[in-house]
Amino acid sequence: DTGVSQDPRHKITKRGQNVTFRCDPISEHNRLYWYRQTLGQGPEFLTYFQNEAQLEKSRLLSDRFSAERPKGSFSTLEIQRTEQGDSAMYLCASSSGRDSSYNEQFFGPGTRLTVL
Amino acid sequence: GEDVEQSLFLSVREGDSSVINCTYTDSSSTYLYWYKQEPGAGLQLLTYIFSNMDMKQDQRLTVLLNKKDKHLSLRIADTQTGDSAIYFCAESSTGGFKTIFGAGTRLFVKA
Repeated sequence: DTGVSQDPRHKITKRGQNVTFRCDPISEHNRLYWYRQTLGQGPEFLTYFQNEAQLEKSRLLSDRFSAERPKGSFSTLEIQRTEQGDSAMYLCASSSGRDSSYNEQFFGPGTRLTVL
Repeated sequence: GEDVEQSLFLSVREGDSSVINCTYTDSSSTYLYWYKQEPGAGLQLLTYIFSNMDMKQDQRLTVLLNKKDKHLSLRIADTQTGDSAIYFCAESSTGGFKTIFGAGTRLFVKA
């Protein structure tokens, strides 16, 4: 399977704990995105990487959130001191970046986070 | 700011056409997309339209764009039960890495 993969698929944690999610994009894609999707809503943009550079962060991404893409391949999203409001599906997507305007993003299956 | 609005639900009978509507606010939108999300599956790009086009047809799917009114629609001909899913309208602007999604329209197809 050469699509976008995410790990874990589900995570249950207690409030105050830290969690880390991983995303492996399609191998030749240099753009990587993180989104958050809550029930009944569309995905909300969190952050974007071009290769290893994090080029934009949404205001939704508080100081408790950090994302990295150290070698320009896989990415991690860490949430520190989780809160119940962090419960959501966290989606990763990647795109090739060959065309600067058209931006077809391929999405992974998501990591569902439940904060108790 | 950028916003994308969609109706939340649509119910049709199998074999009928479905029309899902969307409005957006960003006048610099360059690409408009329709994504499909099935339970337990990731978002799948169905089709897209460039902002200088009025219409795009792809098999059973027809996308209509009214740029003046910032209105986008997706028509699914001969709707099947397998088309039951959530459909998201989305937009991005030139050079845009950031895609703005609507809340999604849940399509129910009755046999």
